[in-house]
Amino acid sequence: DIQMTQSPSSLSASVGDRVTITCRASQSISTYLNWYQQKPGKAPDLLIYAASRLQSGVPSRFSGSGSGTDFSLTISSLQPEDFATYYCQQSYNTPLTFGGGTKVEIK
Amino acid sequence: EAQLVESGGGLIQPGGSLRLSCAASGITVSINYMSWVRQAPGKGLEWVSIIYSGGTTYYADSVKGRFIISRDNSKNTLYLQMNSLRAEDTAGYFCARHDYGDYRYGLGVWGQGTTVTVSS
Repeated sequence: DIQMTQSPSSLSASVGDRVTITCRASQSISTYLNWYQQKPGKAPDLLIYAASRLQSGVPSRFSGSGSGTDFSLTISSLQPEDFATYYCQQSYNTPLTFGGGTKVEIK
Repeated sequence: EAQLVESGGGLIQPGGSLRLSCAASGITVSINYMSWVRQAPGKGLEWVSIIYSGGTTYYADSVKGRFIISRDNSKNTLYLQMNSLRAEDTAGYFCARHDYGDYRYGLGVWGQGTTVTVSS
């Protein structure tokens, strides 16, 4: 099984900050990497698919990059509605696996 | 608008069985790749199972041999039959659709989830 390791597990940031979350796969997954945002009590929302493609309707302040084993999600200017938990997920093969999550909190 | 609505969760004793349903509207379950994902209280997301448009199924090791994913095309509904339930199966269960007709793309449509509690 492919293990996905996210870092950090949590971070504190201020509105307007640039935030970067990283995700590492235990083996190469090409660009089969997706990013989700989840708010408390809600289902996750897809932000980025195929490592760098922005899901329809997602603000352009979100961007993704990487290939192989190392990936990142960047929020260029953190907004109040971005405080949430973020998960990466590999879709290279089954079992599909998620990272442990990164909770973005208000500083 | 695409929508998924889960039902069937509840309190069940260890060793018991439960069937979750995921009713779809604006999505044709039979031609899409559909997954179940769960989330234990206060924990992260865990993928559970997938059914391909062609009917092939896969499971997480943690549920293999106990859970069965299926669909009823006439009802446009996805199911998860959960048998031999354990305390560690306690979680919110979400159904979701893989975008662009391929499991390699992200889960773009999610239901609101249904809660399963396994306890005596």
